[in-house]
Amino acid sequence: DTEVTQTPKHLVMGMTNKKSLKCEQHMGHRAMYWYKQKAKKPPELMFVYSYEKLSINESVPSRFSPECPNSSLLNLHLHALQPEDSALYLCASSPDRLSGNTIYFGEGSWLTVV
Amino acid sequence: DAKTTQPTSMDCAEGRAANLPCNHSTISGNEYVYWYRQIHSQGPQYIIHGLKNNETNEMASLIITEDRKSSTLILPHATLRDTAVYYCIVRLGNNNDMRFGAGTRLTVKP
Repeated sequence: DTEVTQTPKHLVMGMTNKKSLKCEQHMGHRAMYWYKQKAKKPPELMFVYSYEKLSINESVPSRFSPECPNSSLLNLHLHALQPEDSALYLCASSPDRLSGNTIYFGEGSWLTVV
Repeated sequence: DAKTTQPTSMDCAEGRAANLPCNHSTISGNEYVYWYRQIHSQGPQYIIHGLKNNETNEMASLIITEDRKSSTLILPHATLRDTAVYYCIVRLGNNNDMRFGAGTRLTVKP
């Protein structure tokens, strides 16, 4: 089983709303990632968690707040977003951050900010 | 991570082999070459990876030149379902984080 599950698949939110994207994996992976992908562009790395601790924040605005409550779950809390934040948000996981490990991606959550 | 260069787009006839090149001339000794693909509106899908030796799995073959400065992903019998954006990524050995380049848009035609 190499499945990373993301919910919801689609989310529409207003600029004053607070919402969350969720990601779950049951492969025992200890590294988890958030990516953002705009239309016709490659995915961009946002955050990296390793053993439930934030390892990398790629200078992401504070309106995006990641959380890793346990080794299987990764959340992305959204607050006061802008229309330009509309994108596909991808979650991924790998056994750890060491060399040679494969990263597995979920199908993504499509976010529209109105 | 080492920079990679891929053609923007390629076409391939259905049933023929698709050969996707990637240049990574600044690769260092402990960096792996990974290939992923992304079919429209789906998450990236892992295809194959290698360090020095050629690799083959049920999806594809990866040919890495002896100097490791370039590689080729081979889909032996392309189907219409192989139409996707293919990403070649070189990742530092001690840092598993993946950063994507622009990729190659492969179109398989009937």
